Amino acid sequence: AQTVTQSQPEMSVQEAETVTLSCTYDTSESDYYLFWYKQPPSRQMILVIRQEAYKQQNATENRFSVNFQKAAKSFSLKISDSQLGDAAMYFCAYRSDMEYGNKLVFGAGTILRVKS
Amino acid sequence: KAGVTQTPRYLIKTRGQQVTLSCSPISGHRSVSWYQQTPGQGLQFLFEYFSETQRNKGNFPGRFSGRQFSNSRSEMNVSTLELGDSALYLCASSLKGGSQPQHFGDGTRLSIL
Repeated sequence: AQTVTQSQPEMSVQEAETVTLSCTYDTSESDYYLFWYKQPPSRQMILVIRQEAYKQQNATENRFSVNFQKAAKSFSLKISDSQLGDAAMYFCAYRSDMEYGNKLVFGAGTILRVKS
Repeated sequence: KAGVTQTPRYLIKTRGQQVTLSCSPISGHRSVSWYQQTPGQGLQFLFEYFSETQRNKGNFPGRFSGRQFSNSRSEMNVSTLELGDSALYLCASSLKGGSQPQHFGDGTRLSIL
């Protein structure tokens, strides 16, 4: 079974600075997808960024980018120019492309605090 | 385009009762997944429905069940409620699978007294 590990329970960043959230995963599969979701206090899970394992190029969405290291099974999220609205719980998630269906396996999450 | 709608938003039940939660996916989305979120266990996959068929199931007891209707709306039922069932239940929909992301609703907060 696949597992996702987020080793940082909590992180803090100063407004306008850069922060990196760590995620590692364990799988024996070669085809899969990785996601970062954000969950603010409003509870709704919001997709931040996604990465297909077959793509070597790291995904980027505006201020958000990932460092995907397939061999190391690492998928970190970098947030540049941090804003107060970035404060939330961030979840790393794995989805198999070999299993039938849409099941996401989540990490435990990292609380991100943004200081003004 | 309307997002994923979950009802009710909050629910309070007592042990032994049963409960039904509802999820209306984004228009056109045929896959609906359910997740349980607790402080202790985190986010755990319950099951997924696609075109009215359950096509994946997590490791939960048979007290947890679901179904999907022809309009893709889904319901989740929990029978003989236990204190440990207190959680935020999240529903997510997507077009099909692959790299298509899942879009989540705001969740139903279930509290068991």
